[in-house]
Amino acid sequence: QQQVKQSPQSLIVQKGGISIINCAYENTAFDYFPWYQQFPGKGPALLIAIRPDVSEKKEGRFTISFNKSAKQFSLHIMDSQPGDSATYFCAANWGAQKLVFGQGTRLTINP
Amino acid sequence: DSGVTQTPKHLITATGQRVTLRCSPRSGDLSVYWYQQSLDQGLQFLIQYYNGEERAKGNILERFSAQQFPDLHSELNLSSLELGDSALYFCASSGPLAGDYNEQFFGPGTRLTVL
Repeated sequence: QQQVKQSPQSLIVQKGGISIINCAYENTAFDYFPWYQQFPGKGPALLIAIRPDVSEKKEGRFTISFNKSAKQFSLHIMDSQPGDSATYFCAANWGAQKLVFGQGTRLTINP
Repeated sequence: DSGVTQTPKHLITATGQRVTLRCSPRSGDLSVYWYQQSLDQGLQFLIQYYNGEERAKGNILERFSAQQFPDLHSELNLSSLELGDSALYFCASSGPLAGDYNEQFFGPGTRLTVL
């Protein structure tokens, strides 16, 4: 019940394309769903986050779509750029609790 | 820069040894979290402290311990090290001054290599 399942494990997208990463969760107590971006040798950096009272949140080229009934959420990266090549982690928690992370998606944007 | 600092950046040691990893949270943050990142296990929660008190424990081995000091910095102690303890160790912090109290900000990590 504590798991967050993320797919795909790896993703290759052409420059200018749309990158889509999906996550699913079981625990309905989760009320905060962040996405983290991690470059090699660096710590995860908070990219964007959503709460279940909204179905979509957009920040620049990054959009989270949230489906509460399906217990799924996804990250869309529009106009993907080579600089977006990184590992992306979805996560979930409630209160000021530990983050439960997905397994990560290694995204490569081909020029 | 997240505002969370961790030292050292790299640590190489031998099996059976003991090491201490240090973390300073963002100014004003009261909660500190420790996570372990290995290739096959992803990011795993170890332990959380809030204002000096242990708040939650994850899959932390008995050989590992942590504490948070009055100035809010935290230390993670790893003892009787094994080859399998080689990983990246991240500290994150969150607090009442964040826009969202759930937000956790990660430090740059300490890469531990056990030979």
